[in-house]
Amino acid sequence: NAGVTQTPKFQVLKTGQSMTLQCAQDMNHNSMYWYRQDPGMGLRLIYYSASEGTTDKGEVPNGYNVSRLNKREFSLRLESAAPSQTSVYFCASSETAYNEQFFGPGTRLTVL
Amino acid sequence: AQKVTQAQTEISVVEKEDVTLDCVYETRDTTYYLFWYKQPPSGELVFLIRRNSFDEQNEISGRYSWNFQKSTSSFNFTITASQVVDSAVYFCALDDNQFYFGTGTSLTVIP
Repeated sequence: NAGVTQTPKFQVLKTGQSMTLQCAQDMNHNSMYWYRQDPGMGLRLIYYSASEGTTDKGEVPNGYNVSRLNKREFSLRLESAAPSQTSVYFCASSETAYNEQFFGPGTRLTVL
Repeated sequence: AQKVTQAQTEISVVEKEDVTLDCVYETRDTTYYLFWYKQPPSGELVFLIRRNSFDEQNEISGRYSWNFQKSTSSFNFTITASQVVDSAVYFCALDDNQFYFGTGTSLTVIP
């Protein structure tokens, strides 16, 4: 039982490059989330998917897109990376909304 | 405006001291959920507790206890007889159809 997995663990991009962060969960959870964590800012919700087939914006969605590929997988795409997107990105899942969330190990992204 | 405020940025205590981490939240919903998470130096996020807005009973789990007061919109977390392993960043969070984390309190327990 791997829980929530994220790939890659580390990534360095140049400004303007694109990339997709992958997230998968094996707990049969309905809801999935993407957060970014910046020093002094706590975690901020980027996008979430309450259930398969739905996605909604969180607090800081600009510059990102998401895809809920199936019940297990929820990807986050940066179309044109900017230095302001340098952060640690966490994926999480929960049985349903309002339940506790289980987090992946995070992806450390640096945009030069 | 911050939906979840953790006013204490950093706290240091000596081992075996008790410590309380404060959390104040803001919401207009009558149904909401409050959470505490721990982020040790290794970086993973660990769930500690979930409380719904209709349950104001305090909860104790070992050395951890939580005090939920709707009248003051607070959900404080107390660690009794702190240990070095308690050193971490602790986040309070609110779910009222969207999910908001506080900025965290970094706790250092000095041996």
